[in-house]
Amino acid sequence: QKEVEQNSGPLSVPEGAIASLNCTYSDRVSQSFFWYRQYSGKSPELIMSIYSNGDKEDGRFTAQLNKASQYVSLLIRDSQPSDSATYLCAVIVGGGSNYKLTFGKGTLLTVNP
Amino acid sequence: KAGVTQTPRYLIKTRGQQVTLSCSPISGHRSVSWYQQTPGQGLQFLFEYFSETQRNKGNFPGRFSGRQFSNSRSEMNVSTLELGDSALYLCASSSGTSPGGDEQFFGPGTRLTVL
Repeated sequence: QKEVEQNSGPLSVPEGAIASLNCTYSDRVSQSFFWYRQYSGKSPELIMSIYSNGDKEDGRFTAQLNKASQYVSLLIRDSQPSDSATYLCAVIVGGGSNYKLTFGKGTLLTVNP
Repeated sequence: KAGVTQTPRYLIKTRGQQVTLSCSPISGHRSVSWYQQTPGQGLQFLFEYFSETQRNKGNFPGRFSGRQFSNSRSEMNVSTLELGDSALYLCASSSGTSPGGDEQFFGPGTRLTVL
């Protein structure tokens, strides 16, 4: 089983809709979870971090974490064409000082005007 | 605060050569992690340096090595280049002090092409 799994997409939504991006992870002791956005030809940009079960909101973005189900998601409300990018889910795997940030393959999101 | 910088931005090398990439982290950050990104494998962790010591290592061959200097700047070296080493090499900066890892911020990357 892969450590971090995402639907590769592409996910296509109309402008103004809610985009829902999902991610599952295999390491039950993981405590730190991140969403990055990567535009074509650019480097990943951190958009959200979440460490506790529940929801965390930042502007149009909401991250949701369910450690019991080993599931983390990102909701983008009022999607804009500028949100079109690949979204990478990342999880800290390992513990103490022996850890690594492990990425899913990413979900390509297209927001259609 | 200035962001993470990487040099050079683009490199073209031939098989068998070696290459050195450089990364300067965000001021005050002591951890630098290196990643390789390819279309097929995605983002893969190479290694992390903290306070001039390699703290974590991914599953890459010994041809990939790195070091960190006292000012937290880091270099990554790839020896005996292979065609499969063509990739975007990213470094990420973090404080490195949170147990279990904290937010990492990426530089613009170095695009390496091996011919």
